[in-house]
Amino acid sequence: DAGVTQSPTHLIKTRGQQVTLRCSPKSGHDTVSWYQQALGQGPQFIFQYYEEEERQRGNFPDRFSGHQFPNYSSELNVNALLLGDSALYLCASSLKGGPGNTIYFGEGSWLTVV
Amino acid sequence: AQSVTQLGSHVSVSEGALVLLRCNYSSSVPPYLFWYVQYPNQGLQLLLKYTSAATLVKGINGFEAEFKKSETSFHLTKPSAHMSDAAEYFCAVTPTGYGNKLVFGAGTILRVKS
Repeated sequence: DAGVTQSPTHLIKTRGQQVTLRCSPKSGHDTVSWYQQALGQGPQFIFQYYEEEERQRGNFPDRFSGHQFPNYSSELNVNALLLGDSALYLCASSLKGGPGNTIYFGEGSWLTVV
Repeated sequence: AQSVTQLGSHVSVSEGALVLLRCNYSSSVPPYLFWYVQYPNQGLQLLLKYTSAATLVKGINGFEAEFKKSETSFHLTKPSAHMSDAAEYFCAVTPTGYGNKLVFGAGTILRVKS
């Protein structure tokens, strides 16, 4: 049973460019969330998708957008990249429902903006 | 807003010694609490979670945590540290009414000395 998979694992972008990160949730999971982890900090919640709609959003600007597909996989898009967007982006999946459900994380995508 | 505070950004112990990583939460209602571990250049792995079933929670790799409402604490312990325990540990809480969303602490880096 494959866990949460993310791609690419590493990428370098230039300021002002756009980036798309991809995530496949753990088998059977229908809810996908994205987190940003800057160096030396804890992960920060970006947003969550369920039934192909954004259900919750953290304190991130509109430059951060996402999508969920019918097979539950998800994309995170970041436009007009800033140096401060350099971070590890983590995808997490779970079953919709009680807050005690276990949330599984992928290995992450390392984004460097130069 | 519900949050967690991890006391000590770095903790150093000798191999075989007790591991104690501190986490305090702020919540007016019983929260759902989690401990995750992150090894270098990897994603997050769930160690254990508290969902109000029992105050003493046992997790993987010999770790356990005790929920103490009177102290608003959820400290992580392991009786005997192993070199392989060296990693960063994050305490997290699910805010009430926010489903499968996690709010993380800043993390504690555990160093194990031989």
